[in-house]
Amino acid sequence: GIQVEQSPPDLILQEGANSTLRCNFSDSVNNLQWFHQNPWGQLINLFYIPSGTKQNGRLSATTVATERYSLLYISSSQTTDSGVYFCAAFTGTASKLTFGTGTRLQVTL
Amino acid sequence: DTGVSQDPRHKITKRGQNVTFRCDPISEHNRLYWYRQTLGQGPEFLTYFQNEAQLEKSRLLSDRFSAERPKGSFSTLEIQRTEQGDSAMYLCASSYPRTGVNGELFFGEGSRLTVL
Repeated sequence: GIQVEQSPPDLILQEGANSTLRCNFSDSVNNLQWFHQNPWGQLINLFYIPSGTKQNGRLSATTVATERYSLLYISSSQTTDSGVYFCAAFTGTASKLTFGTGTRLQVTL
Repeated sequence: DTGVSQDPRHKITKRGQNVTFRCDPISEHNRLYWYRQTLGQGPEFLTYFQNEAQLEKSRLLSDRFSAERPKGSFSTLEIQRTEQGDSAMYLCASSYPRTGVNGELFFGEGSRLTVL
């Protein structure tokens, strides 16, 4: 099955800083999603982005499907951005979303 | 759109007891998934349904686990004779796939199981 790798595994930022999270995947995909897992464990949808670039407020994401990676950009980080960010992908022949191991982000004052 | 709902949110049980979790997907979503997440790990796929048909099961789903979606709406996940290793967050998701495209998955808040 598809392999999904995320980097860095941990990230500590001061409030106001920018960051880039990376997701590499081993096969071509027809669905790629970014999630933020809040402290209570719920997965919050950030982006559905099998290709191209999308922006939502301070967050944006880019997927380069031909090179098998996706990037999540967080600008002007806030303490509420803290948590774990997951990338997950479907291949064209798969029936399930496969998750990476996540990036744990801590934003400090 | 009320989102995916799961019940109960928390369950503490003794080893050997049976537990059942319920998931109500987003209405008109015909695909429903169960995932399990342990501490420090990403969610792992357990099984999924297309309408009422269970189409795939992971090797993680031992014979103590059974999932149903009898009328293609809500689903239940039952764990029999629970073991301490079953302690985890059980996540449900739903989607509405379109021709040639796997739809976006939306997750519920999860059911956290603690087996003593």
